[in-house]
Amino acid sequence: NAGVTQTPKFQVLKTGQSMTLQCAQDMNHEYMSWYRQDPGMGLRLIHYSVGAGITDQGEVPNGYNVSRSTTEDFPLRLLSAAPSQTSVYFCASSRTTTDTQYFGPGTRLTVL
Amino acid sequence: AQTVTQSQPEMSVQEAETVTLSCTYDTSESDYYLFWYKQPPSRQMILVIRQEAYKQQNATENRFSVNFQKAAKSFSLKISDSQLGDAAMYFCAYRSANSGANSKLTFGKGITLSVRP
Repeated sequence: NAGVTQTPKFQVLKTGQSMTLQCAQDMNHEYMSWYRQDPGMGLRLIHYSVGAGITDQGEVPNGYNVSRSTTEDFPLRLLSAAPSQTSVYFCASSRTTTDTQYFGPGTRLTVL
Repeated sequence: AQTVTQSQPEMSVQEAETVTLSCTYDTSESDYYLFWYKQPPSRQMILVIRQEAYKQQNATENRFSVNFQKAAKSFSLKISDSQLGDAAMYFCAYRSANSGANSKLTFGKGITLSVRP
């Protein structure tokens, strides 16, 4: 039981490049979400999903896309990276929409 | 909208002593959950403790306990017998118990706890 896994752990991009951050969970959780963590800001919700095929926007969705084709996977796509997207990204999942969320190890992204 | 406030950016405690981390929140809901997460230098977000708002009894997990004051909207974390491994950033977080809400975790800005040997 690996819990919530994220790849890569570190990534450096140039402005304008695109990439996908991968997230997977093996706990059969219905709810999955992406947060970004910036210094002095806590964690803020980017996008979330309440089940396969269902996604919605969080607080800071601009510049990011998500999809949820399976229960296990919830990738986050950066369409055209900008320096403002330099951050640490966390994926989290929970059994239901109100249960405890468990976090992946995070991805540190730097956009030059 | 719910807000979570951690007003102390940093705290320090002597090893083996007790420390209390403060958190206040604002909500118009009556049913919700409150959490404390620990983030050590490894960056991993680790659940420390969870409190259901409908429970009057304060949650306890080994050396960690909370003081939940629903009327005052206060949720403090007490760490007893502090250990060097407790040094980390601690986040207080709120989640609605309404399954129809977007169910996000609302986080405070965190507090950095250092432990002096």
